[in-house]
Amino acid sequence: SSELTQDPAVSVALGQTVRITCQGDSLRTYYASWYQQRPGQAPVLVIYGKNNRPSGIPDRFSGSNSGNTASLTITGAQAEDEADYYCNSRDSSGTLGVFGVGTKVTVL
Amino acid sequence: EVQLVESGGGLVQPGGSLRLSCAASGFSVSDNYMIWVRQVPGKGLEWVSNIYSGGYTYYADSVQDRFTISRDNSKNTLYLQMNSLRAEDSAMYYCARERQVWSSGWFWYIDYWGQGTLVTVSS
Repeated sequence: SSELTQDPAVSVALGQTVRITCQGDSLRTYYASWYQQRPGQAPVLVIYGKNNRPSGIPDRFSGSNSGNTASLTITGAQAEDEADYYCNSRDSSGTLGVFGVGTKVTVL
Repeated sequence: EVQLVESGGGLVQPGGSLRLSCAASGFSVSDNYMIWVRQVPGKGLEWVSNIYSGGYTYYADSVQDRFTISRDNSKNTLYLQMNSLRAEDSAMYYCARERQVWSSGWFWYIDYWGQGTLVTVSS
């Protein structure tokens, strides 16, 4: 299967830690990348590869991988982290990309 | 500075056609992997099509045989020709640049996105 499964929504108290997971068979072969999307804006890359952050992404964002699951962790969540988060990887053929359904993160 | 600017969206009737453009600056589209992603307002991201630097093209099943991705190297522009449009093709369409990296395995990531162009298919 080429699907990537994410929990639809999670909430986290301000300053606390939240982990978002992404499951799929293709993650046994390919790393996931993670994107943050705020309302009305284009997605922004936050994590890629094993655990890499683009320039300008705070170090409270981190990624990990185990088996068929990729995880994005926000350590010390801030109000501005409230957004939708999508994982992305390849399909089983390795030619097309596939996105998870997205997780809405609410910071309380 | 890398920039991607989409254009060409609008209102079109079912069965009609539309061509989206994505003007790139700060890098060469011909040397990079380029993709189109769409998003129905309020819904998730959907991969539409990609073109490799070598020219190979790939399409999601939902658009196969109706959409064509291409590029004009002289204009440094990516295109998406959309034919036989359906109501379910209505979405914001983003063009983006994808990077491929080898590090103990292949992985890909999308490092730059345009701001999108809205396509509405309705009678």
